[in-house]
Amino acid sequence: QVHLEQSGAEVMKPGASVKISCEASGYTFNNNFMHWVRQAPGQGLEWMGVISPYTANMKSSQMFQARVSLTRDTSTSTFFMELSSLKSEDTAMYYCVGEVAGTYYFDSWGQGTLVTVSS
Amino acid sequence: QSALTQPASVSGSPGQSITISCTGTTSDVAYSNHVTWYQQHPGKAPKLMIYDVSRRSSGVSNRFSGSKSGNTASLTISGLQAEDEADYYCTSYTISKTYVFGSGTKVTVL
Repeated sequence: QVHLEQSGAEVMKPGASVKISCEASGYTFNNNFMHWVRQAPGQGLEWMGVISPYTANMKSSQMFQARVSLTRDTSTSTFFMELSSLKSEDTAMYYCVGEVAGTYYFDSWGQGTLVTVSS
Repeated sequence: QSALTQPASVSGSPGQSITISCTGTTSDVAYSNHVTWYQQHPGKAPKLMIYDVSRRSSGVSNRFSGSKSGNTASLTISGLQAEDEADYYCTSYTISKTYVFGSGTKVTVL
């Protein structure tokens, strides 16, 4: 049973960076790509990007390309998403989401991390 | 990449059938057979319902079905039940090897 445990809520100032972690368990680490999806309050889902667990290659949405960094630590089975130059519009719930490699769908979701950007 | 277009809301009475559309472009929905549908109840993480246009995820009721024609995918819920009241999102793999979500549809059971 795949389990994704995310780090806790964050309150950040505009212009700062935030780094969220997602610890994966219950499966072979290299079997799942890890995506990041966000949802602003009362709004829809937005795909941010994906990282390969074995190559560490990442692909991100053009909307975030310059501001998002996806990394992973194989020794702790943990994925990270760092978003820089935060704006109030980045206030959202951020989810790490697993995809069994090559299936093209998201079948395991973390519990979400709420990031609030406020001065 | 603009969000795929879904109706903001769809409603139906218990037992009825409803269909939610998801309209994209030749670069996403029309391009890819990797169209997926998720259900999200308030305060919860989304749940995978349909993948690869029409395949039901394990444990999902056969009241849920998916299809696609050209650049429009559809999710049909038959025999509508109170527990189906939720937000529904489509998503598609794109020609750029990225993903795009739909704008979301709120389903109300009258």
